[in-house]
Amino acid sequence: GAVVSQHPSWVICKSGTSVKIECRSLDFQATTMFWYRQFPKQSLMLMATSNEGSKATYEQGVEKDKFLINHASLTLSTLTVTSAHPEDSSFYICSARPAGGPLETQYFGPGTRLLVL
Amino acid sequence: AQSVTQPDIHITVSEGASLELRCNYSYGATPYLFWYVQSPGQGLQLLLKYFSGDTLVQGIKGFEAEFKRSQSSFNLRKPSVHWSDAAEYFCAVGGVNNNDMRFGAGTRLTVKP
Repeated sequence: GAVVSQHPSWVICKSGTSVKIECRSLDFQATTMFWYRQFPKQSLMLMATSNEGSKATYEQGVEKDKFLINHASLTLSTLTVTSAHPEDSSFYICSARPAGGPLETQYFGPGTRLLVL
Repeated sequence: AQSVTQPDIHITVSEGASLELRCNYSYGATPYLFWYVQSPGQGLQLLLKYFSGDTLVQGIKGFEAEFKRSQSSFNLRKPSVHWSDAAEYFCAVGGVNNNDMRFGAGTRLTVKP
């Protein structure tokens, strides 16, 4: 089946530093990737949608300058949390839609837990 | 705007017992409905989905769900729960392109021996 990986699986960083999270589709090409944020005991909240080779579309309330998304290839999207602060601590999940596949299909990565001290 | 409500935050059932997880949605058009399961350290796995047609949908791992338009519900069921079913379950609603998929808050399932 389709596999999506995320790296790292968890990261601890100091306040003010930047953290990059990678999302890779391992056995398929993804024209669209999605980034979600999940707070403890809460739902996944869509942060942004990225299409390969174009700028990401951010959901209302998500700071595009703080959460930089790059989707440079059909198998890789990155989320960079710039100047991270403790309130950015969360579980970040990506998903990928296969190129040419049904629009309703998304495969999810295992998530990256970020702790900002 | 679309939304999903999962009324039960945490459910505990005995192994072998039946299970029903509730999901209510709000959506302006015909919804695409999904149930996902999330286990620790793993990505969300799709259990089943409904787009149209038969309102009783069969999924993987013995799960099924029934779409009831009149009640705006899409409850997940399993006749006999296994210990390996313990996980977090999410209901989601989306449109045709799923760029606007919305998830419920999740229901954590605990299975007692």
